[in-house]
Amino acid sequence: GAGVSQSPSNKVTEKGKDVELRCDPISGHTALYWYRQRLGQGLEFLIYFQGNSAPDKSGLPSDRFSAERTGESVSTLTIQRTQQEDSAVYLCASSLPLPGQETQYFGPGTRLLVL
Amino acid sequence: EDKVVQSPLSLVVHEGDTVTLNCSYEVTNFRSLLWYKQEKKAPTFLFMLTSSGIEKKSGRLSSILDKKELFSILNITATQTGDSAIYLCAVKAGGYQKVTFGIGTKLQVIP
Repeated sequence: GAGVSQSPSNKVTEKGKDVELRCDPISGHTALYWYRQRLGQGLEFLIYFQGNSAPDKSGLPSDRFSAERTGESVSTLTIQRTQQEDSAVYLCASSLPLPGQETQYFGPGTRLLVL
Repeated sequence: EDKVVQSPLSLVVHEGDTVTLNCSYEVTNFRSLLWYKQEKKAPTFLFMLTSSGIEKKSGRLSSILDKKELFSILNITATQTGDSAIYLCAVKAGGYQKVTFGIGTKLQVIP
């Protein structure tokens, strides 16, 4: 069955360039999350989308980070003017937002390296 | 601010040993606690716990939640080298959908 997919799997960019990461959630999952995981560290929440509600952006670390979601499908995470500290694995997860069905299913992640 | 603390940070055991991983939390309006296993990039789901005292079991893995003392444990019996991974604890809380993850426990099982 189709799980959460992310692209690209790896991205190398130069400092100052913009990057765009894509996430395709599981069909029917209205909740979508973005996380960042730096080397040797835990998962850091970035942003949450639920249907057509306003996203919870409370985890975005700076205004260089933004994310969009088209309806209840694809989401893109954009990092502008990348910095070396942005190097990390960016994970996307989706879930059903119903009580008792909160399990998040993760994509394989995008490994971003900023030189 | 919601907080999830895992211990130990890392653990090395021999095959066949039993291990207990700990997760404590301080959150507002707890909803659920989740355990994940992370071997490479993407964490895979193990358990979701919402009620105190009810053990969840899957093969050699089991987990239980104590909502009074605000912690959960993940037990792995008869460990195998394939159990080597980072085990993540996460808590979902409040009216928001924000999920707070612990830093994880890195388990290494040696033959």
